[in-house]
Amino acid sequence: EPEVTQTPSHQVTQMGQEVILRCVPISNHLYFYWYRQILGQKVEFLVSFYNNEISEKSEIFDDQFSVERPDGSNFTLKIRSTKLEDSAMYFCASSGLGQGNEKLFFGSGTQLSVL
Amino acid sequence: SQQGEEDPQALSIQEGENATMNCSYKTSINNLQWYRQNSGRGLVHLILIRSNEREKHSGRLRVTLDTSKKSSSLLITASRAADTASYFCATAPFTGANSKLTFGKGITLSVRP
Repeated sequence: EPEVTQTPSHQVTQMGQEVILRCVPISNHLYFYWYRQILGQKVEFLVSFYNNEISEKSEIFDDQFSVERPDGSNFTLKIRSTKLEDSAMYFCASSGLGQGNEKLFFGSGTQLSVL
Repeated sequence: SQQGEEDPQALSIQEGENATMNCSYKTSINNLQWYRQNSGRGLVHLILIRSNEREKHSGRLRVTLDTSKKSSSLLITASRAADTASYFCATAPFTGANSKLTFGKGITLSVRP
């Protein structure tokens, strides 16, 4: 079965540093998402991306965050200057388009630790 | 309460028993989905029910939706030790099929062998 892959599985960084989290969505999917989960808390929506632009974003997704689809396969989340509170598991997800394609396929996540 | 709030927070049952998990939400929805998460892993989609549906089945899973009460339940019948995981309900708003999902805090299910 096709799957969403994320790299790296773990990322440790110093506060203030930039990080890029990478994802390869399922190849024929058109919608891409980033969610995050702080330890023990609920899964929170960050951003959705369709047709090479942001479709929706949450209040968490401020100017420190950006997303990009640099080529036909990768989808990245960049955090420009990490804060301690950015420590979380970050999940990439993808889906098809429209009615009947609402279910999300998630990657295994990148555990980001900001020291 | 928050959108997509599950109860109980934790559930421990014996293998072979049924597990019932509930979810409540506040706003109008397009659909409601249930996901499972094994420890340290990504979420896996289990089942989706649309706002005009009342019940759906998939294998040992049965989900119901009561839009008048803004609530859903997930029933896992004949539970197995492998069902041990966290279960999340997620709601999609009425605005569109690919709109963001809002997740609840999840229910931790432990199935004792």
